[in-house]
Amino acid sequence: GESVGLHLPTLSVQEGDNSIINCAYSNSASDYFIWYKQESGKGPQFIIDIRSNMDKRQGQRVTVLLNKTVKHLSLQIAATQPGDSAVYFCAENGETSGSRLTFGEGTQLTVNP
Amino acid sequence: ETGVTQTPRHLVMGMTNKKSLKCEQHLGHNAMYWYKQSAKKPLELMFVYNFKEQTENNSVPSRFSPECPNSSHLFLHLHTLQPEDSALYLCASSQQDSGNTIYFGEGSWLTVV
Repeated sequence: GESVGLHLPTLSVQEGDNSIINCAYSNSASDYFIWYKQESGKGPQFIIDIRSNMDKRQGQRVTVLLNKTVKHLSLQIAATQPGDSAVYFCAENGETSGSRLTFGEGTQLTVNP
Repeated sequence: ETGVTQTPRHLVMGMTNKKSLKCEQHLGHNAMYWYKQSAKKPLELMFVYNFKEQTENNSVPSRFSPECPNSSHLFLHLHTLQPEDSALYLCASSQQDSGNTIYFGEGSWLTVV
């Protein structure tokens, strides 16, 4: 069936390093993708989105890359800070989900000082 | 401040109690959602309302009863819950149902004892 999933459940990085969080999707009809950040005890927070007509989109310290050929999405965080420690998960809206968002399981990012 | 406000933030209830979760969005959106988030599981869509009309009931047990009096308010009425219903219940809204970014509230932590 269709699914959205993350390659790694946990990621630990040193403060100041760049972080890369990956997401694989299986619905080739997906045309909209979002990354969310969820800090402990809080609701998911929108970080950045990208549509399928783009390969790359940049925000403040974050970049999302979309590879439609291999159905892969990644979130890059530059100069990772302790405040970036959270669970990150991707979401996509493909036709089989009624164009509603389908969420991945999440990757726990831990930033070590 | 996400624009989506949930109350209460924490709730402990017995299995014979009746309680309600409340959500209000200040974003001018037309669609509202209830999601359930359990440990180590992806977000589970429960209900969707679009322009006050329910457009999705994702096989949710009848002990969960949603109510949407207008596009800005959403309730989740709870009665005779089970311990396995303990989870974080997230309200969200979007401009319309499907194809849009979803914005979440901070969630209501529910513990059923």
